[in-house]
Amino acid sequence: EVLLVESGGGIVQPGGSLRLSCSLSGFSLNDYSLHWVRQAPGKGLEHVAVIDTSGDNIFHADSLKERFRVSRDKSKKTLYLQMNSLRVEDTAVYYCVKDRLYGPSLFGDYYFDEWGHGTLVTVSS
Amino acid sequence: DIQMTQSPSSVSASVGDTVTLTCRASQGIGTWLAWYQQKPGKAPQFLIYAASTLQSGVPSRFSGSGSGTEFTLTISNLQSEDFGTYFCQQTKGLPTTFGQGTRLEIK
Repeated sequence: EVLLVESGGGIVQPGGSLRLSCSLSGFSLNDYSLHWVRQAPGKGLEHVAVIDTSGDNIFHADSLKERFRVSRDKSKKTLYLQMNSLRVEDTAVYYCVKDRLYGPSLFGDYYFDEWGHGTLVTVSS
Repeated sequence: DIQMTQSPSSVSASVGDTVTLTCRASQGIGTWLAWYQQKPGKAPQFLIYAASTLQSGVPSRFSGSGSGTEFTLTISNLQSEDFGTYFCQQTKGLPTTFGQGTRLEIK
């Protein structure tokens, strides 16, 4: 069974940092690209970042690339999102998401077939 | 970035009805489109990809169509468990972007 379990969310002050983790099971990181998607309270979905099957290529949303960084640890089967200089508008549920496309590829095909339950990040003073 | 616009923003329908949701792209995306269903407090669920291909396990009452800039999601024989918010997503390239969602309420 494919499972993605996020952790690391919480309350942080503006300007602070947070690292989200996503524990992965039921599939190999070599076979699927992995994404972070966020959803502000009562709002729509926003793609944050993706790391490809090799782990060597990453992409971040333009508006976030100076402050956020996606990474992974294959030995720990864990995906990470390092978030720095957090702002009130970064408040959201952050989802760890598996790409649908199987096999080596640059970022997959961006169809998100498996999602974690999400972790809430609240940026507030 | 490609903008996705969904209509209506909300709709109410009865069990057994047929409902059609619309998604428009700001530029042509071929059939690079997905649909998701989200229930309150839950993660989105993957329904359809490539505009019309049903994900495994999704009931056949869901269907998608369209290409270019205009797409539809049709739910036939609406069931009570179909309530929720439906999002479209363009996957032509990065950044991938989503519509703002259509909320479906069961009368």
